[in-house]
Amino acid sequence: AQTVTQSQPEMSVQEAETVTLSCTYDTSESNYYLLWYKQPPSRQMILVIRQEAYKQQNATENRFSVNFQKAAKSFSLKISDSQLGDTAMYFCAFSGGATNKLIFGTGTLLAVQP
Amino acid sequence: SAVISQKPSRDICQRGTSLTIQCQVDSQVTMMFWYRQQPGQSLTLIATANQGSEATYESGFVIDKFPISRPNLTFSTLTVSNMSPEDSSIYLCSVPRAGQDTQYFGPGTRLTVL
Repeated sequence: AQTVTQSQPEMSVQEAETVTLSCTYDTSESNYYLLWYKQPPSRQMILVIRQEAYKQQNATENRFSVNFQKAAKSFSLKISDSQLGDTAMYFCAFSGGATNKLIFGTGTLLAVQP
Repeated sequence: SAVISQKPSRDICQRGTSLTIQCQVDSQVTMMFWYRQQPGQSLTLIATANQGSEATYESGFVIDKFPISRPNLTFSTLTVSNMSPEDSSIYLCSVPRAGQDTQYFGPGTRLTVL
């Protein structure tokens, strides 16, 4: 069975600074995707970034990038130039196997301070 | 991207009653997913709803408590039956993002049971 672990329940960062959110996972699947979702107070789940496990190159989406360490089963999210609108709960998720199910971590609540 | 709507957006219900949540997608999809997010917690998959067949429930969730309908390829309902305060949660539906192993989420239904 797949597991996703986020060990940082809460984090805080000053506006314009950089923050890294940690995520580790465990799986026996060979083909899978790793995802970061953002859930602001509106509770809408928003996909931030995704990484295919077979790709060695780390995914990047504007200010968001990942550090994917496949051997270590680690998938961290870096947010550069943090903005007040980045304040949200961030969930790491695993997608793999034949079912399209998502397995979520417990989340990290990020607060961006002015 | 898929546009997903949910009704109601929120409700306050008395214990022992039932509530039916609707999920509408603007395109035809084979699978729809229902998640529960308890207060301050992560998302947990309740069941996968395929059109034309019985829903597949995850461990810990049963059809008598969470009956699901899937009458066509754009619509599904989740009923929370015989509610107790422990059912107070956000309920979200989602659909797969074609070919990308990620999911689009609806805006969620916030349920409070008194």
